[in-house]
Amino acid sequence: NAGVMQNPRHLVRRRGQEARLRCSPMKGHSHVYWYRQLPEEGLKFMVYLQKENIIDESGMPKERFSAEFPKEGPSILRIQQVVRGDSAAYFCASSPRELGITGNTIYFGEGSWLTVV
Amino acid sequence: QQQVKQSPQSLIVQKGGISIINCAYENTAFDYFPWYQQFPGKGPALLIAIRPDVSEKKEGRFTISFNKSAKQFSLHIMDSQPGDSATYFCAASVNNNDMRFGAGTRLTVKP
Repeated sequence: NAGVMQNPRHLVRRRGQEARLRCSPMKGHSHVYWYRQLPEEGLKFMVYLQKENIIDESGMPKERFSAEFPKEGPSILRIQQVVRGDSAAYFCASSPRELGITGNTIYFGEGSWLTVV
Repeated sequence: QQQVKQSPQSLIVQKGGISIINCAYENTAFDYFPWYQQFPGKGPALLIAIRPDVSEKKEGRFTISFNKSAKQFSLHIMDSQPGDSATYFCAASVNNNDMRFGAGTRLTVKP
């Protein structure tokens, strides 16, 4: 009963390179969320996806950031031309399709720590 | 805009004391209010959650108090232990979609 799996756990990129972060949701979950956590700060919502659809990307920076959740395979958060300010922990979370009233919630992965040098 | 406001930013409590963290929200459509606990280098983990049809929920040493009219909810940790030292996040969502988090409270429990 694997939880939300994220990889890589740690990633170092030079300025201008691309970073790709992967997230496999919990089994049976079809909703994926990406959050960013800057050092000493809280969790900032970035994007909410369902299979093959972006539902809400109101938290995504307008440039260089993109996310997808294909029909097959993990969700990908892609950051192009990284800058030092992109250094942060990126957390993926997932939730079940059916929400009901029994307290379904979102479950977080262990995070991917991006360092831009 | 920040939809969930959390305070204090940091909290120091003596072992055995009560830790209290407060959150306020704006969106009256929110219907699910969880608290998450995060240890350094780890992802947030669900601690306890409440829905607005009850005013209090208790699980072990952890209690959520909910005030719907004031649009506020709080986490109480009774008999706080050094192992409770972590960052705590409140959150709110509508039907569990698009969950919004508070800024977090760093709790330190001194032995």
